[in-house]
Amino acid sequence: TQLLEQSPQFLSIQEGENLTVYCNSSSVFSSLQWYRQEPGEGPVLLVTVVTGGEVKKLKRLTFQFGDARKDSSLHITAAQPGDTGLYLCAGFRSVEETSGSRLTFGEGTQLTVNP
Amino acid sequence: NAGVTQTPKFRILKIGQSMTLQCAQDMNHNYMYWYRQDPGMGLKLIYYSVGAGITDKGEVPNGYNVSRSTTEDFPLRLELAAPSQTSVYFCASSYSVPFNEQFFGPGTRLTVL
Repeated sequence: TQLLEQSPQFLSIQEGENLTVYCNSSSVFSSLQWYRQEPGEGPVLLVTVVTGGEVKKLKRLTFQFGDARKDSSLHITAAQPGDTGLYLCAGFRSVEETSGSRLTFGEGTQLTVNP
Repeated sequence: NAGVTQTPKFRILKIGQSMTLQCAQDMNHNYMYWYRQDPGMGLKLIYYSVGAGITDKGEVPNGYNVSRSTTEDFPLRLELAAPSQTSVYFCASSYSVPFNEQFFGPGTRLTVL
């Protein structure tokens, strides 16, 4: 059972367009992290959102954590070719909620921004 | 700081061969992790360690072993390679809270034929 579902799985857009990537779950998370992974590299942490309803901005990227802390979205304004990569969300649960791995990754959204 | 380093970058194994994937971090992080990434399957946790001398199984530990003799190093051992172990392997580390905000290495692409 996939605990975190990301959509869309693939997205190909033209430079300058806006886009939104979604990360949804039926489970509540203590926080949610977004990573970006470029070909041949490991994922790199972009942001962590902690509070329900929280919005964080990183230049042209806007991250939002759902009020119920079950979902998150990533919005990119005026996408550029340098935004191309695999975007992964990861839900973090506190030690009181679970044992073993406390971080669950979604399958990722592969974004391609064409010049 | 070099961050998290992994060697080798690529490797091809024959079925039944063994190998060790090396991972080192120079950030003095207590927590270290091994993941495998398969196309369309996301990152799956193989093993993790909360400190030197302490390791524990993740979601997919079968066919792998780890050790953590020092804070810096966390090698992953494949004893009898199988085609199902063809994947990209990532080592990661984190500092303040287990599993939180991880730093990843560049990965090892392993093919088992």
